[in-house]
Amino acid sequence: EVQVVESGGGLVQPGGSLRLSCAASGFTFSVHGINWVRKAPGKGLEWISCSRGGSGTLHYADSVKGRFILSRDNAKSSLDLQMNSLRAEDTAVYYCARDINFLAFDVWGPGTMVTVSS
Amino acid sequence: QSVLTQPPSASGTPGQRVTISCSGSSSNIGSNTVNWYQQVPGTAPKLLIYKNNQRPSGVPDRFSGSKSGTSASLAISGLHSEDEADYYCAVWVDSLNVGVFGGGTKLTVL
Repeated sequence: EVQVVESGGGLVQPGGSLRLSCAASGFTFSVHGINWVRKAPGKGLEWISCSRGGSGTLHYADSVKGRFILSRDNAKSSLDLQMNSLRAEDTAVYYCARDINFLAFDVWGPGTMVTVSS
Repeated sequence: QSVLTQPPSASGTPGQRVTISCSGSSSNIGSNTVNWYQQVPGTAPKLLIYKNNQRPSGVPDRFSGSKSGTSASLAISGLHSEDEADYYCAVWVDSLNVGVFGGGTKLTVL
């Protein structure tokens, strides 16, 4: 079965760090772009970062650039999101998603909740 | 506030046809393909339409997408009660190497 599953969410204080993981299975991980998308409470979907398939080129939204770092391990079929200097506005459900074209995500994980609060 | 503008809400009765618009600019919709998602609250989003008008396998043909210039639309025909959800358009912006979602449209089936 083709799937991606997120892990690592939780409660963290403002200014703290958290590392999310996306574990993939059932497909050739290295050829697909893998993205992180979040949904804050009461707000819409927000694309935050991606690792391109093949090249592995990384891209980030301005809202997280310089604070969040992606690292991809094709051998383990995983993509980690290191989140630093967390702010209250980073509170959201974080989804990992596989892409089949630019911003076309055909496989999504169930999401992991990140809460930034003191 | 997103660079892709969607109406915050839409509604229809069972069996009706509804359309949801997504308005952008030459730097986003005007220069790349549009994708559409459905999200039922509390669940992960689901891809409905990609590359403007392509349906992934398993998506009913009641859902269709179109694009013209700097705007795109999602049409849902033969509305069902289970279509009640939030709908988002999404585009990759080549000039900035970022992805953008529309603000979302909450569809209510009356």
